[in-house]
Amino acid sequence: NAGVTQTPKFQVLKTGQSMTLQCAQDMNHNSMYWYRQDPGMGLRLIYYSASEGTTDKGEVPNGYNVSRLNKREFSLRLESAAPSQTSVYFCASSRGRTQETQYFGPGTRLLVL
Amino acid sequence: SQQGEEDPQALSIQEGENATMNCSYKTSINNLQWYRQNSGRGLVHLILIRSNEREKHSGRLRVTLDTSKKSSSLLITASRAADTASYFCATDGNTDKLIFGTGTRLQVFP
Repeated sequence: NAGVTQTPKFQVLKTGQSMTLQCAQDMNHNSMYWYRQDPGMGLRLIYYSASEGTTDKGEVPNGYNVSRLNKREFSLRLESAAPSQTSVYFCASSRGRTQETQYFGPGTRLLVL
Repeated sequence: SQQGEEDPQALSIQEGENATMNCSYKTSINNLQWYRQNSGRGLVHLILIRSNEREKHSGRLRVTLDTSKKSSSLLITASRAADTASYFCATDGNTDKLIFGTGTRLQVFP
């Protein structure tokens, strides 16, 4: 089992460019999440999907869109990247309810110039 | 907004010593979780304690929960250099989301 995988590991964008961060889990989990981590800020929830076919906003959704492609995959899209979106992005999944134990991917480091 | 706040922000100890870090939160909870993050890696779940539990053990880890004070502590006994990491508490705040604190950076010197 690979657990939670994320691609790419690292990306540099110019302001205004778009990109999609990919996430997949092989644990048959129902819920999936996207977080961003900034120095001194801890993790902040961007979007989550409590079950296949549903998505909901988290604490910092502005500038992002998500797609729950199927039960395994949950992607995060930046339509027009801004320097403020420079961060480390983590995808996570949990078996059922969102309050349960979450399993994290290795992260994507994004630099927006 | 941060639900959990860890204290201290940073902690340096020698191998073999115990490390204690604390988490305070603001609203009632269903459960509280602790996670570890090694430098440059994703978070790894350590332990979950439910609101009706007061203490829980897992190997060298001991977690306590005091719901009257809205606080939790994580004790790592007999620390090892490999315990060097950041430690985060996360609470659900009676919502459908986990909210993470800002973390304690633990450095264990050999």
